[in-house]
Amino acid sequence: KQEVTQIPAALSVPEGENLVLNCSFTDSAIYNLQWFRQDPGKGLTSLLLIQSSQREQTSGRLNASLDKSSGRSTLYIAASQPGDSATYLCAVPEVSGYGNKLVFGAGTILRVKS
Amino acid sequence: DAGVTQSPTHLIKTRGQQVTLRCSPKSGHDTVSWYQQALGQGPQFIFQYYEEEERQRGNFPDRFSGHQFPNYSSELNVNALLLGDSALYLCASNPRASTYEQYFGPGTRLTVT
Repeated sequence: KQEVTQIPAALSVPEGENLVLNCSFTDSAIYNLQWFRQDPGKGLTSLLLIQSSQREQTSGRLNASLDKSSGRSTLYIAASQPGDSATYLCAVPEVSGYGNKLVFGAGTILRVKS
Repeated sequence: DAGVTQSPTHLIKTRGQQVTLRCSPKSGHDTVSWYQQALGQGPQFIFQYYEEEERQRGNFPDRFSGHQFPNYSSELNVNALLLGDSALYLCASNPRASTYEQYFGPGTRLTVT
C-alpha cells in the first residue's frame, strides 16, 4: 500500500527566500508524481507532473525533482512571493485492476510574509 | 475549453439526510474520480468511474455511492449523513488512455449539522 508523507507540515518564510518542500513515498514503482497547489477552501491546481523516467521538471520559479530509488521528490520555489502562500500537495498514482487512484500527502502549508 | 466543473459549490445538510453532488469532466475525458478532503488533510480516494461502472473503490462505507452517465458526467450520493461527512468533495477526470494525470474541479463544500 502506497503511503505519501510531506515535510514540513507548515512553513513560514519572508518574501524573497528560496525554499524546498519535501515529499516521500513508500512504493518506488510509480508512473509519475504530481505536485498541486490548493488555496484555502478551493480545488487543486496542478503545478508540475514528473514522469517516472524524468528526474526534473520546471515551470517558472518552480522546480520539482524525482528520485524514485529513494522514494523522494522535492519542490523548489525560487524567490518566494506572498502570492505563493497556499497548501502544496504531492500525489502519486496507485494502479490496480481497471482503476488508478491518486494517493496524497497531507500537504505543506506555506506562508510567505511580505 | 471548460475544465472540470462541480455543483453545487456549497451545501448544508442535517444528520441523517441524503445528498447528491455533481461533476462534469474536462472535455475529452471519460474517467471520473471522487475524493473527500477533510480539513487539514490530503484528499482521500472514494471511487472511480469509467464506462458507467465503478472501477475502483477506496475505504468508504456503502453509504457512499455513485453513478456515471453516458456523457461521462458523474454523481456522488451520500446517504444517512454523519457529522464526519463534512468535508470538501473533489471530482477529478482524466482520459482513459493516459499517464494517470488527473485534473481537479473546484470542489463542493459539504457541511453536516
